[in-house]
Amino acid sequence: DGGITQSPKYLFRKEGQNVTLSCEQNLNHDAMYWYRQDPGQGLRLIYYSQIVNDFQKGDIAEGYSVSREKKESFPLTVTSAQKNPTAFYLCATKDRNEETQYFGPGTRLLVL
Amino acid sequence: AQSVAQPEDQVNVAEGNPLTVKCTYSVSGNPYLFWYVQYPNRGLQFLLKYITGDNLVKGSYGFEAEFNKSQTSFHLKKPSALVSDSALYFCATRGGWGKFQFGAGTQVVVTP
Repeated sequence: DGGITQSPKYLFRKEGQNVTLSCEQNLNHDAMYWYRQDPGQGLRLIYYSQIVNDFQKGDIAEGYSVSREKKESFPLTVTSAQKNPTAFYLCATKDRNEETQYFGPGTRLLVL
Repeated sequence: AQSVAQPEDQVNVAEGNPLTVKCTYSVSGNPYLFWYVQYPNRGLQFLLKYITGDNLVKGSYGFEAEFNKSQTSFHLKKPSALVSDSALYFCATRGGWGKFQFGAGTQVVVTP
């Protein structure tokens, strides 16, 4: 966890609603990642960003969107097009000179 | 494509006994391998990594892992398990653009 914060800890989404998950870091890391965790499936990559103002789709990007306007921030929006959004969402960061990814504490998204 | 596999959904061990969590990899080129631990409703914590060098890698909390190229394995080990080691453990490999591929995870249960 350390210098990576995710908010809120729990988030409830109504049918047809877009919701945004926050990820902020003070580690000065260039790369940031969003993962989705479902029981028994490990972590799956949604989006990633190597540098400000640039991001790429991961393995399960459909129904999600991101922005990277600042180095410190990489918010994830879960759109109404994501039909099964209930999951634990994890943000991670990586320094350009290191191989290890470091994770935030996560946000659990539940559908009302 | 880079991938890792964790063949056991759950490992049960008595406190004080050795703990082993298995991971095999399928990687083109030199593998970059990682172990993480996750406690309930928390983010992933980095334990150790293998990039190059000695096949026995030492990490946090008394854990170590052995890289075996001939068996394409990277098993996590601890000589004497603690009840507090009960958690979900993930093996991962790094692919292009710093993207990670995670195994499905192994639940470790240490009984007193």
